[in-house]
Amino acid sequence: EVQLLESGGGLVQPGGSLRLSCAASGFTFSSYAMSWVRQAPGKGLEWVSAISGSGGSTYYADSVKGRFTISRDNSKNTLYLQMNSLRAEDTAVYYCAKNDGVVPAAGYGMDVWGQGTTVTVSS
Amino acid sequence: QSVLTQPPSVSEAPRQRVTISCSGSSSNIGNNAVNWYQQLPGKAPKLLIYYDDLLPSGVSDRFSGSKSGTSASLAISGLQSEDEADYYCAAWDDSLNGYVFGTGTKVTVL
Repeated sequence: EVQLLESGGGLVQPGGSLRLSCAASGFTFSSYAMSWVRQAPGKGLEWVSAISGSGGSTYYADSVKGRFTISRDNSKNTLYLQMNSLRAEDTAVYYCAKNDGVVPAAGYGMDVWGQGTTVTVSS
Repeated sequence: QSVLTQPPSVSEAPRQRVTISCSGSSSNIGNNAVNWYQQLPGKAPKLLIYYDDLLPSGVSDRFSGSKSGTSASLAISGLQSEDEADYYCAAWDDSLNGYVFGTGTKVTVL
């Protein structure tokens, strides 16, 4: 069964850091781009970041560029999101998603999603 | 603020047809494939449409997608109560070098 399981969410103070992980199973992890998507309470979906299957190319939304870093360990079938300089507006449920293509720009979309992990930035 | 614009809500009676529009620009919809997602209350999103008009395996053929120029549409025919959800269009944006979601549309079955 194809599955994504996020972890690492929690409560953090403004300016703090957090690292999210997403453990993948049931598919050849390195063959697919992966993405992080977030949803603030009561709001719509916001794409955060993506990484190619090899890890050689990364992409970021302007809202997180310079603060967040996406990475992957294909030997561990795990995706990461390092979040630094966190702000109140980063409070959201963070989903990891599998892109059905090697690069995120392919039109296949995100066909597998995790259940999400909640990040709350508050003092 | 999203670069893809959708109506906030649409509603229709059971067994009827609804259409959700998604307006973009030449840097996203006009030059890249459109995807559509369904998000049921409290759940993770689900891919409904890829490459403008293709259905993933297991998605009901009551859903259909289309695209013309810089706009796209999702149609739901034979509306059912289980279709009550939020729907999002999305596409890669060449200018932003990133993926963008639409503003989202809440579908209500009357």
